[in-house]
Amino acid sequence: DGGITQSPKYLFRKEGQNVTLSCEQNLNHDAMYWYRQDPGQGLRLIYYSQIVNDFQKGDIAEGYSVSREKKESFPLTVTSAQKNPTAFYLCASSGYPMNTEAFFGQGTRLTVV
Amino acid sequence: AQRVTQPEKLLSVFKGAPVELKCNYSYSGSPELFWYVQYSRQRLQLLLRHISRESIKGFTADLNKGETSFHLKKPFAQEEDSAMYYCALPSGTYKYIFGTGTRLKVLA
Repeated sequence: DGGITQSPKYLFRKEGQNVTLSCEQNLNHDAMYWYRQDPGQGLRLIYYSQIVNDFQKGDIAEGYSVSREKKESFPLTVTSAQKNPTAFYLCASSGYPMNTEAFFGQGTRLTVV
Repeated sequence: AQRVTQPEKLLSVFKGAPVELKCNYSYSGSPELFWYVQYSRQRLQLLLRHISRESIKGFTADLNKGETSFHLKKPFAQEEDSAMYYCALPSGTYKYIFGTGTRLKVLA
C-alpha cells in the first residue's frame, strides 16, 4: 500500500521538551515537505527537502529542525525554542517535475501540556 | 512575491445551489495551479489541476491569467462537498505555496 505515513497521530509534550514527528513515504518521491496547519492560517511551510542530505527552511522554520538521511524519511523535531508548538502538522511528498501532485500524510496533532 | 489568496474563510450554500470558491494568485511566469480538498477525518488530497482541464466530482476551475484567478466552481452543491478547500501554487523548486483555505458548508 503506497503512500505517506505519519506517526504518531497524537502527541503530547511537556513544555521545555523536544519531540520528533515521523514521516515515511514509499512513493519514491524526491521532495518532502512539512507544513503546519492552524485554523484560519492555512498551510504554512516549515521545511522542505529536494534530495537526500539536503533541506531548506520554509516560512516558519524557527524552533524546528529536520533531517533527510534517507529518501523515504523526513522527521521533524519540534524543539523547546518553538514558542507555540500546539498545532496540526502535515507531511507531504512529491515527485519530479515539480508541478506534480503532492501526497499528504494523515497528520500529527501535537499538544503542549 | 509569489502568493495565493483565498479571500473567504467560510462559504455556506444550500444544497443544489451553485458554488464558487475564489482563488487569486501572484506569480511571475506561467503558473501551474491546483485545488486540494480535505474532507472531515481524511487526509488532504488533490482535487484537480488546471493543466488537466478536467472535471472532478462536478468541480471545474479555469485559469484566468488576466484576472490572475483560479476559482473553483460547481453548478449544484451536494452535502458531501462540505470540506476544507485549498488553492495551491508550486513555486520555484519543489516548493508549494498554499492559500489559507476556504471551508465550504453545504446546508440541507
